Amino acid sequence: AQTVTQSQPEMSVQEAETVTLSCTYDTSESDYYLFWYKQPPSRQMILVIRQEAYKQQNATENRFSVNFQKAAKSFSLKISDSQLGDAAMYFCASMEYGNKLVFGAGTILRVKS
Amino acid sequence: GAGVSQSPSNKVTEKGKDVELRCDPISGHTALYWYRQRLGQGLEFLIYFQGNSAPDKSGLPSDRFSAERTGESVSTLTIQRTQQEDSAVYLCASSLKVSNYGYTFGSGTRLTVV
Repeated sequence: AQTVTQSQPEMSVQEAETVTLSCTYDTSESDYYLFWYKQPPSRQMILVIRQEAYKQQNATENRFSVNFQKAAKSFSLKISDSQLGDAAMYFCASMEYGNKLVFGAGTILRVKS
Repeated sequence: GAGVSQSPSNKVTEKGKDVELRCDPISGHTALYWYRQRLGQGLEFLIYFQGNSAPDKSGLPSDRFSAERTGESVSTLTIQRTQQEDSAVYLCASSLKVSNYGYTFGSGTRLTVV
């Protein structure tokens, strides 16, 4: 069974600084996908970034990038030039091909001005 | 519709009452998922519908929980004889048939059992 672990319940970052959120996962499949979702107070889950496990290149979306270490089953999210609007709960998730999303417990990110 | 719509946005109910939560997925999305999110916690999978296939009910926590879906459109999650531990946000999501691009989520229904 898939499992996703986020070991940081809460993180803080100064505006304009960089922060990294950690995530580890476990799966027995070779074909799987990894995601980071953002959940602001509005409760809306917003897809931040997606990584295909068969791709070695780390995914990047503007200020958001991942460090995907397949052998270590690690999938961390780096947010550069943090903005006040980045404050939210962040969830790491995995999906085995054709299966459902499995989520970690989440990390609350606070951004200080 | 343009997005996944859930109703009601908030629901307060008395312990022991039944509640129905509604989800209207994105048009054309054949897969529909229900998740539960307790306060400050991650998302727990409840049930998954894919077209006309039998639903995956493996996440339903008890027989008080059930869900239906009409064809490839609206879904209703029903909780019978609600308990205080049922208080949570119930999130619905939809996706294309086999989507490895993640899901589109609704804004959820916050259920409070008093």
